[in-house]
Amino acid sequence: EAGVVQSPRYKIIEKKQPVAFWCNPISGHNTLYWYRQNLGQGPELLIRYENEEAVDDSQLPKDRFSAERLKGVDSTLKIQPAELGDSAVYLCASSLNSGTDEQYFGPGTRLTVT
Amino acid sequence: GNSVTQMEGPVTLSEEAFLTINCTYTATGYPSLFWYVQYPGEGLQLLLKATKADDKGSNKGFEATYRKETTSFHLEKGSVQVSDSAVYFCAFRRGSGAGSYQLTFGKGTKLSVIP
Repeated sequence: EAGVVQSPRYKIIEKKQPVAFWCNPISGHNTLYWYRQNLGQGPELLIRYENEEAVDDSQLPKDRFSAERLKGVDSTLKIQPAELGDSAVYLCASSLNSGTDEQYFGPGTRLTVT
Repeated sequence: GNSVTQMEGPVTLSEEAFLTINCTYTATGYPSLFWYVQYPGEGLQLLLKATKADDKGSNKGFEATYRKETTSFHLEKGSVQVSDSAVYFCAFRRGSGAGSYQLTFGKGTKLSVIP
């Protein structure tokens, strides 16, 4: 069974530029999560999708971050414009459903903003 | 508020040494507790979990016991190998109610095992 796929694995951009990350969850998983992991910290949830609906985006900085999950499968997380403080690893995870189901994580995208 | 405190690293051990990584949590209700491992260049993988008090999670020689009285979930392994070198994250998920899907992670503990 294929795991969670993310691309790109690494991205370096200058501040004020836009950037997008892509995630393909495990087939059949209805719930998708985006996390941000700052250096030396644990992951922190940004947004959670149930199918195509964003059911919890309370921790997403909406002034510059946006996300979508068209057709309830793949998802894209965008930052526009990027700031120096956005440098982090962006992790995507998926689970069959919310609640008690195990979350499976992708390898992440390491973003460096210069 | 809800939080996880785990032992700061890095931790360096010789092969076959005994490992303990301490983890305590602050949460209301009856959370589920987890240890995740992140090998270099890879995503987080669930190592073990426990869903109620006194449960012991185990996998790949690692163990952790859910101690509600001390709100702890310390990770142990009797004899570490070089291949165990990774970053270990303690996490919890609330047992019920709003946010019960959300994982709260500690900062991670980097383990290096030398031959």
